[in-house]
Amino acid sequence: QLVLTQSPSASASLGASVKLTCTLSSGHSSYAIAWHQQQPEKGPRYLMKLNSDGSHSKGDGIPDRFSGSSSGAERYLTISSLQSEDEADYYCQTWGTGAWVFGGGTKLTVL
Amino acid sequence: QLQLQESGPGLVKPSETLSLTCTVSGGSISSSSYYWGWIRQPPGKGLEWIGSIYYSGSTYYNPSLKSRVTISVDTSKNQFSLKLSSVTAADTAVYYCARSTLFDYWGQGTLVTVSS
Repeated sequence: QLVLTQSPSASASLGASVKLTCTLSSGHSSYAIAWHQQQPEKGPRYLMKLNSDGSHSKGDGIPDRFSGSSSGAERYLTISSLQSEDEADYYCQTWGTGAWVFGGGTKLTVL
Repeated sequence: QLQLQESGPGLVKPSETLSLTCTVSGGSISSSSYYWGWIRQPPGKGLEWIGSIYYSGSTYYNPSLKSRVTISVDTSKNQFSLKLSSVTAADTAVYYCARSTLFDYWGQGTLVTVSS
């Protein structure tokens, strides 16, 4: 079964960097994913597509501070030079044959 | 710039059918490269994929909702629609439409409350 696992919460200081993790279920380590950001009281915003080899393509207007990387079944979202507006929920998402799946989301707090 | 906009009643009575429409502008829903999807988010909770449709009418549904969901497409109006039957309070959520596979374009979302 295709499942994405995310830590419920993360925190980092203003100006620092943070790396969020999304783990694909067993047997699905070759899958690409997408990362989405949801700021408080707003709808989701597409950040990037992240492939199993770590290559990624960002959505329109996404700052260079956002980057992605991969290792095995792990998919990472790194945000550098954290700003207050980066405080948000971050969701990973993938797709298989006839199914789309979201991770449970990580709530990022900027200290 | 592609834009999606959800529309439909904000209040639905228990046991009735929730109906929403997503209007796509700035691009054709008949593009061969994309599915079009519905996602929902109950208050304070995460995102849940409901289902997706191709312009030809081919559909995929979340197994947990499959018995109650119907998604259809109207290419002449550049729209796709969601029907969710036999709703309960647990179906209260913000409903989003988005372009699959990546969900790279989202509507702003519409809150649907199930209450008598």
